[in-house]
Amino acid sequence: QKEVEQDPGPLSVPEGAIVSLNCTYSNSAFQYFMWYRQYSRKGPELLMYTYSSGNKEDGRFTAQVDKSSKYISLFIRDSQPSDSATYLCAILYSGNTPLVFGKGTRLSVIA
Amino acid sequence: DTAVSQTPKYLVTQMGNDKSIKCEQNLGHDTMYWYKQDSKKFLKIMFSYNNKELIINETVPNRFSPKSPDKAHLNLHINSLELGDSAVYFCASSQGRTLYEQYFGPGTRLTVT
Repeated sequence: QKEVEQDPGPLSVPEGAIVSLNCTYSNSAFQYFMWYRQYSRKGPELLMYTYSSGNKEDGRFTAQVDKSSKYISLFIRDSQPSDSATYLCAILYSGNTPLVFGKGTRLSVIA
Repeated sequence: DTAVSQTPKYLVTQMGNDKSIKCEQNLGHDTMYWYKQDSKKFLKIMFSYNNKELIINETVPNRFSPKSPDKAHLNLHINSLELGDSAVYFCASSQGRTLYEQYFGPGTRLTVT
């Protein structure tokens, strides 16, 4: 079983929609949970991170972690065409261990 | 002002050749990484250096050799290139304990023919 599973999409939504992106992970030892955004032909950039169960909000973005279900989500409210990108979940144990990325979900927001 | 830069941006070469990719960061970070993103967009760590010391070395063929001349630079040399090496290679950096917050370069698109 892969460590991090993420539906690759593509996901296409109309402008203004609420978007829900999800990942599941297999190892309960993971401690940090991140969402990176990658525009076409660019490097990934960190959107949000959290290390506890519950919700974390930043503007139109909300990251949610459910450690009991090993499930992480990213919600985008009032989606904009500029949100069109690939969203990668990433998980980290701790210390000098590598980030483990999901395969990414490609999102298109149609004006 | 570019935070993490890579050269070249594109690299097209033939099988069997040797090539290098260079990475520089001006963020003052102490940890640098090389990632490979394949055609299916799967991003996987290859190497990580902390203060010029190799700390992560995933299962990567010996043909790949990273070199860190100083904290701000991490280069990747690839010998005897193979078709399967075609991918986008990303350099990244982070500071101290904030390993979750990595800053990525723009990527080097390598095509082996």
